Amino acid sequence: DAKTTQPPSMDCAEGRAANLPCNHSTISGNEYVYWYRQIHSQGPQYIIHGLKNNETNEMASLIITEDRKSSTLILPHATLRDTAVYYCIVSSTGTASKLTFGTGTRLQVTL
Amino acid sequence: EPEVTQTPSHQVTQMGQEVILRCVPISNHLYFYWYRQILGQKVEFLVSFYNNEISEKSEIFDDQFSVERPDGSNFTLKIRSTKLEDSAMYFCASTVRGGDTEAFFGQGTRLTVV
Repeated sequence: DAKTTQPPSMDCAEGRAANLPCNHSTISGNEYVYWYRQIHSQGPQYIIHGLKNNETNEMASLIITEDRKSSTLILPHATLRDTAVYYCIVSSTGTASKLTFGTGTRLQVTL
Repeated sequence: EPEVTQTPSHQVTQMGQEVILRCVPISNHLYFYWYRQILGQKVEFLVSFYNNEISEKSEIFDDQFSVERPDGSNFTLKIRSTKLEDSAMYFCASTVRGGDTEAFFGQGTRLTVV
């Protein structure tokens, strides 16, 4: 699976959009980009995933560049409850969805 | 909303003892996983399980570890002879299929080996 690079930490004011970048320059054609988050020491929580098109769900939007070498997770109106570690993971399709977590981005949402 | 349930939430055991961590995956899911997270470190993949056999395992998942789906609902992780370095949060996850899909994680079992 391709390696990802994320900033270690970011701050965001409550109510503003949080834009979390991720580089995955070695991504291959069959690899998806996944975003998960972990609040305190709870179990990771799925946010969104995509292959090459931009995706949106009730939690977030995922913007993937045309060359697929980077992506951005957008939380449109961050709240204090969005304070968490956000993981960008690249994973190939296969028999089972093994996820390789990195160190992620610690997002701090402030008043 | 469906959820993955893990028990116990916290287990303390003496070094050398066997422990069994239990998980109830989401009912229509077919793929099951164990991950662990040592305090302050990354979440690490241990093993994936499908069709009553291990699909993939990491280097961490040595002979001291085993997994089982003893009935139609439970999925267990056994550590035969615990070591101090096995102290970690253990997360169970399940997916409805392999490949590109959402993984649902449980809230974890904190294992403390003393």
